[in-house]
Amino acid sequence: DSGVTQTPKHLITATGQRVTLRCSPRSGDLSVYWYQQSLDQGLQFLIQYYNGEERAKGNILERFSAQQFPDLHSELNLSSLELGDSALYFCASSPRDAANSPLHFGNGTRLTVT
Amino acid sequence: SQQGEEDPQALSIQEGENATMNCSYKTSINNLQWYRQNSGRGLVHLILIRSNEREKHSGRLRVTLDTSKKSSSLLITASRAADTASYFCATDGPGGGADGLTFGKGTHLIIQP
Repeated sequence: DSGVTQTPKHLITATGQRVTLRCSPRSGDLSVYWYQQSLDQGLQFLIQYYNGEERAKGNILERFSAQQFPDLHSELNLSSLELGDSALYFCASSPRDAANSPLHFGNGTRLTVT
Repeated sequence: SQQGEEDPQALSIQEGENATMNCSYKTSINNLQWYRQNSGRGLVHLILIRSNEREKHSGRLRVTLDTSKKSSSLLITASRAADTASYFCATDGPGGGADGLTFGKGTHLIIQP
């Protein structure tokens, strides 16, 4: 058990809808990372937060947004969903604001857009 | 952005044999990490090797890093059925990973009993 909790485990929704994915990082970790995993694109870095502030942005679409709350949990909001947004979305956490420590991944949210 | 590329894409071996996976990347790094992913699950960190290290061991895992060739290898010795998984390398960048860790597409390893 990595200590990172993601909810829900599965989401099935229709095109054009909006969903929110939730992540609770490992106790004591200040950084939260969001990744999208699909068969064709592999693991794509979306965004990172550190202690409530956005620190790095990757291949995140404008339709997607995220935030990290004072209790350090994070939410990823996906709107105007398209079929191509179907993927596994992972949250990972680490103690520091740098990629020189291991990331601890949750088990992901599987999003299916129909 | 830089990206690690694992080779081979898939590997099938008999239990007890050694498995070697390779990773190549494009730009300079501070460190390289290897992760394992069981089907449909989250990634699990295996080992981190820094750019000034050439080799690192952890149990049955041996990782090498050649920064001149921008490549790394992961060796799993005496493989077990439970080692069946996908293995990913991940790299940071000169800025300390300001763009997050970049993952390759992985090597899918199958250990046949």
